Amino acid sequence: SQQGEEDPQALSIQEGENATMNCSYKTSINNLQWYRQNSGRGLVHLILIRSNEREKHSGRLRVTLDTSKKSSSLLITASRAADTASYFCATDAGANSKLTFGKGITLSVRP
Amino acid sequence: DVKVTQSSRYLVKRTGEKVFLECVQDMDHENMFWYRQDPGLGLRLIYFSYDVKMKEKGDIPEGYSVSREKKERFSLILESASTNQTSMYLCASSFHRGFSNEQFFGPGTRLTVL
Repeated sequence: SQQGEEDPQALSIQEGENATMNCSYKTSINNLQWYRQNSGRGLVHLILIRSNEREKHSGRLRVTLDTSKKSSSLLITASRAADTASYFCATDAGANSKLTFGKGITLSVRP
Repeated sequence: DVKVTQSSRYLVKRTGEKVFLECVQDMDHENMFWYRQDPGLGLRLIYFSYDVKMKEKGDIPEGYSVSREKKERFSLILESASTNQTSMYLCASSFHRGFSNEQFFGPGTRLTVL
C-alpha cells in the first residue's frame, strides 16, 4: 500500500532558487527518509529524520517532520542544475526495515 | 562505501523465458530488497529478505520468486516472463533492524519483455 504521497508531482525552478517538496503519510512511523534518483539510475539516500525529531539539516538540505499533521518537507536551498532529479520520501512503520516509497517529485532546475 | 551491484543494466527477453536478475552487496547487510519502478506508480516492493534463506512477500510478488542462498546475494526470478513485467528493477540492501535502515540501491536493471 502506498504510504508517502509527495507534493507537487513536478517542480521547475531557476538555479539559485529554493525548492520545497512535501510528503504526507497516513499511519504512524518510526522514521521518514528522503531519496534522490537521477534519470535512469538507482536511488541515493539523502537524509533520515526520526519520529521524535522535528528538523534536520545536511548541507543545503533541510528536512522537517510534523507527526501531528503526518507530513514532512524537504527544502533544497540555493538550487543547482545538478539537483535536477526525482525525489522520493519513504516511511518506515514496521519491524522489518521495510520502507514504503511515494511516487516521487520531478525537480527541474533551469540554469 | 557500500556497493550494491546488479548483473545487467539492460536486458531484453522474450515472453515465456525464465529470467534471473542478480544483486550483490558488499557490506554484510542483513536485509535485501527487490523493487520494480514504473512511471506514475513509483517504487513497489516485490520481495525482501532479512536473512539467508529467508524471504518475505512484498506488495506485488505475483509472477516472481526470489533466492537468497548467500548473505551477499539476492536473486529475483521471473519463471515465465510476460510483457507486463517490462520495467526497471531495483535492488537494495540495508543493515539489520535496530540500526538506521537507510537503504542502499543498485543502479537498476531495465528489463524489456518482447
